[in-house]
Amino acid sequence: EDQVTQSPEALRLQEGESSSLNCSYTVSGLRGLFWYRQDPGKGPEFLFTLYSAGEEKEKERLKATLTKKESFLHITAPKPEDSATYLCAVTQGGSEKLVFGKGMKLTVNP
Amino acid sequence: DAGVTQSPTHLIKTRGQHVTLRCSPISGHKSVSWYQQVLGQGPQFIFQYYEKEERGRGNFPDRFSARQFPNYSSELNVNALLLGDSALYLCASSSGTGIGEQYFGPGTRLTVT
Repeated sequence: EDQVTQSPEALRLQEGESSSLNCSYTVSGLRGLFWYRQDPGKGPEFLFTLYSAGEEKEKERLKATLTKKESFLHITAPKPEDSATYLCAVTQGGSEKLVFGKGMKLTVNP
Repeated sequence: DAGVTQSPTHLIKTRGQHVTLRCSPISGHKSVSWYQQVLGQGPQFIFQYYEKEERGRGNFPDRFSARQFPNYSSELNVNALLLGDSALYLCASSSGTGIGEQYFGPGTRLTVT
């Protein structure tokens, strides 16, 4: 069965302490890999879409990369406002159905 | 530009009751998808509608149904509510062409007592 696994489940960083979040996937015919940010009680906010291995995208302190088996979300010099749950999701074939991982709760302490 | 809107924001229902949730997509988007998110988990796919036709259905019981209207807005209906239906219900809007991103609304928090 298709599966998306995110690790770690939770991460605490000090402000300015860079780190990476991992998303591994096992789907046939990957169409796209998506990263979302979700604040408590709110809907997911779109961050990035990656379509092929080797692709990279950046937005402010965030950089997403994709290989054939996993994606990384790199956070450089995080700030407390980066604290949120980060969700990874994939689509396959011609479907727009997003298959999500459980998410990774990031806390950045000042 | 207005994003995806959902109503109501919060809802409290009793077991066995029926509920209707509403979603309006981003202007120009023709596809709406519904997801259920329970606490501590990622969203789970329920339905996708495109041009008023069901395009996909997740592993949810027949108590869950949906429809899309000519203006592309959508309703999610849940009958015979169970305690386990308590969750954040999310609506996502997309072009429906299979290319591009899905944008989520703020969600409806449903509590079943």
